[in-house]
Parts: sequence; C-alpha cells; structure tokens
Amino acid sequence: GENVEQHPSTLSVQEGDSAVIKCTYSDSASNYFPWYKQELGKRPQLIIDIRSNVGEKKDQRIAVTLNKTAKHFSLHITETQPEDSAVYFCAASPSGGSNYKLTFGKGTLLTVNP
Amino acid sequence: DAGVIQSPRHEVTEMGQEVTLRCKPISGHNSLFWYRQTMMRGLELLIYFNNNVPIDDSGMPEDRFSAKMPNASFSTLKIQPSEPRDSAVYFCASIFRRGARTGELFFGEGSRLTVL
Repeated sequence: GENVEQHPSTLSVQEGDSAVIKCTYSDSASNYFPWYKQELGKRPQLIIDIRSNVGEKKDQRIAVTLNKTAKHFSLHITETQPEDSAVYFCAASPSGGSNYKLTFGKGTLLTVNP
Repeated sequence: DAGVIQSPRHEVTEMGQEVTLRCKPISGHNSLFWYRQTMMRGLELLIYFNNNVPIDDSGMPEDRFSAKMPNASFSTLKIQPSEPRDSAVYFCASIFRRGARTGELFFGEGSRLTVL
C-alpha cells in the first residue's frame, strides 16, 4: 500500500518568515495530493490540493509543488502569521473507481512566533 | 449543511466495556471513512464505505473492531471489548465522489475515547 513520509515533524518560524513542509510517497499510482490543517482540538480541514497533471498550485500565501518523477510534494507558506500555527498533514491517494484511499503523513507541528 | 456529525464527542470507559461511536455524514455524500488519530501513529484509516458498502477494512486493528453503515446517513464504529491502547481520537469523514474525480474529504469533530 501507499506510504507517506512527512518532514519535519516540528517547525518553528518567526512571524513573516516562510515555512516549507516536505512529503514523499511510495505508490506511483497516487495522483491526488491534498494538504490538511488541524488546529488544536479541531478537525483537519483541507487548505490546498494538487493533482498529478500540474506541477504547482498557489492560493494566496500557500503553494504546493509536485515532482511526480521523484515522488515528492511540498507545502510552502509565505509571510507566516501566528494563526498559521497548527499541525499540517500531507496525504496521497490514487483516485478513480472504488480505489480511493487517502493515506496521511504523520503531520508537522508548525509554530509561528510573534 | 451541519457538516459531518459525530457522537459522542468524549467517552471515558473502563477496559472490557463496549464502545459505540456514531457518525452522520454530509447529506449527498456517497463515501464514508473512519480514521483513528494518535500521537504515535498519526491519522490511520480504519475502514471506508462506498454507497454504504465496506470497500477496505484492512486498517481495522483486530476483530474487536467492527463498523457498519446501514444506510446513507448513518454509520457506527464499535469496539468490543475495549482496551487502554484503543484510547485515541476517532474521526469520521465523508466525501462525494463522482467517477474518477476526488474532492475534499470533510471531517467530523471527532470522538475522543479514553479507556481506563
């Protein structure tokens, strides 16, 4: 099955700096890569996703890049703010038919210091 | 829509007791997932259903765990008998899937289980 590795497990940055979280996956059939944000005590919520037919996607201060050859994808947050502090999860899934199985990385605790 | 609704939000029980967690997916969603979250193992997929049919239960830890989806608006995850190592937050999530497209997975607020 799919295996998703996520690094780093913790990340501390100063407000205004950029943060980068990296993930690798093992299953070449995976073609859908979402990122979820989970604030303390809350549910995970989708912040951005990318499909394998594009290499980069941007939404305001967040962007995701995908390298299918190397089987890795990354989340970039620019101009970080204290409210960006949360646990971020990457995930990978093959889509299509009934074979939908979203496998998550172990998460990155991001702390943005004022 | 109220989103994915889970109950109970918190459950404290003693080892050996039966635990039943409940989930109401978003109306119209045709796939439902049960995840378990712990510090050590992160978010683990336990089982998922398409159109009320269990598709993959390979993540269910052992025979003590069972899940059902009797209709499109209700699912249960049962643990019998419960053990302290089952302590975790259990999330239910749902999605509408059409053909090959995959979209946003919506999570419930979770059920925090503590087994003493």
